Amino acid sequence: DSGVTQTPKHLITATGQRVTLRCSPRSGDLSVYWYQQSLDQGLQFLIQYYNGEERAKGNILERFSAQQFPDLHSELNLSSLELGDSALYFCASSESRLNTEAFFGQGTRLTVV
Amino acid sequence: QKEVEQDPGPLSVPEGAIVSLNCTYSNSAFQYFMWYRQYSRKGPELLMYTYSSGNKEDGRFTAQVDKSSKYISLFIRDSQPSDSATYLCAMSAAYSGAGSYQLTFGKGTKLSVIP
Repeated sequence: DSGVTQTPKHLITATGQRVTLRCSPRSGDLSVYWYQQSLDQGLQFLIQYYNGEERAKGNILERFSAQQFPDLHSELNLSSLELGDSALYFCASSESRLNTEAFFGQGTRLTVV
Repeated sequence: QKEVEQDPGPLSVPEGAIVSLNCTYSNSAFQYFMWYRQYSRKGPELLMYTYSSGNKEDGRFTAQVDKSSKYISLFIRDSQPSDSATYLCAMSAAYSGAGSYQLTFGKGTKLSVIP
């Protein structure tokens, strides 16, 4: 158990809908990272937050947004969902801004139908 | 050319064999190198983390980094069926202006250790 908690584990929704994925980092970790994993693209970095502030942005679509709350949990919002958004979404956390020892949650499997 | 190249396999070896997993990269700015293990339908688990060129050993695992060749390896000695998983290399370079380090992953090599 990495100590990073993601909910829900599975999500099935229709195209055009909006969903929210939740992540609770390990106790004491200030950085939260979101990744998307699909079969053809592998693990793609989406966005990082550190102590409530956005720190780095990767290949995140404009339809996606994230935030980190004062209690350090984070949410990833996906809107106007398309079939191609079906993937595993992982949250990771680390103690510092440095992503060198990041611990991953078990992921949320999103299926868009 | 992709920033990180990793042979997807699959790689199948008998129990007890020495396994060699490799990644090449093109970005000279990469400073930190990691190996993650991912079991089916689970999150990646950090196995090894190295900063400089050379070898780092942890039990049956040895990570090797050759920055001059832009090549990293993970060796698994006395492989066990429980080692069957997908192994992902990951690297990070400074994210300019923000002081954060963004991880770039290889696509992973699927390993099966046959009893």
